[in-house]
Amino acid sequence: ETGVTQTPRHLVMGMTNKKSLKCEQHLGHNAMYWYKQSAKKPLELMFVYNFKEQTENNSVPSRFSPECPNSSHLFLHLHTLQPEDSALYLCASSQSYQETQYFGPGTRLLVL
Amino acid sequence: GQQLNQSPQSMFIQEGEDVSMNCTSSSIFNTWLWYKQDPGEGPVLLIALYKAGELTSNGRLTAQFGITRKDSFLNISASIPSDVGIYFCAGQDLSDDKIIFGKGTRLHILP
Repeated sequence: ETGVTQTPRHLVMGMTNKKSLKCEQHLGHNAMYWYKQSAKKPLELMFVYNFKEQTENNSVPSRFSPECPNSSHLFLHLHTLQPEDSALYLCASSQSYQETQYFGPGTRLLVL
Repeated sequence: GQQLNQSPQSMFIQEGEDVSMNCTSSSIFNTWLWYKQDPGEGPVLLIALYKAGELTSNGRLTAQFGITRKDSFLNISASIPSDVGIYFCAGQDLSDDKIIFGKGTRLHILP
């Protein structure tokens, strides 16, 4: 138990669906991150929020829309995804931006 | 661009053997982190290193921050079945403070 929880753990969706991934951290951290992990690829940083403000968006397609209502919660809203978006989506948090990150268990997403 | 090379990509060892893996970077890092990821789970932090030359242990795991600040290694002694998984290194680049991850070393243990 790392103090970072993610729901759902597994998600199957069609290309026309809209769904959201949720991340919550109980560590009192101020920075939160979304990563995409595909098979045989390094972790890809998608978004970073620091004190609820988005500080990084690494050229992520607009079909992924993050939301950070407070320092403890982070959402990733998904709409009109493609099959190649199937991956493990990991949330992480750190005390401050770019400090040591602690990961959640991930959401395994399958887009049909 | 920033590059982090982790090797080996995968390892097959006998239970009880010692394991060594390493990461090298093209630039100077001020932090090295080692994570382990079990199947279907997120990476879990094993060891964090913050000073050049630092040698830190966590049970059977030992990691070192290289003197050149461009490399780090992780050793596992007397491997056991639950050591199976993917080990990732991560480093924080001194020039821009960005943390980047290696591609991982997949450890397999033969019975």
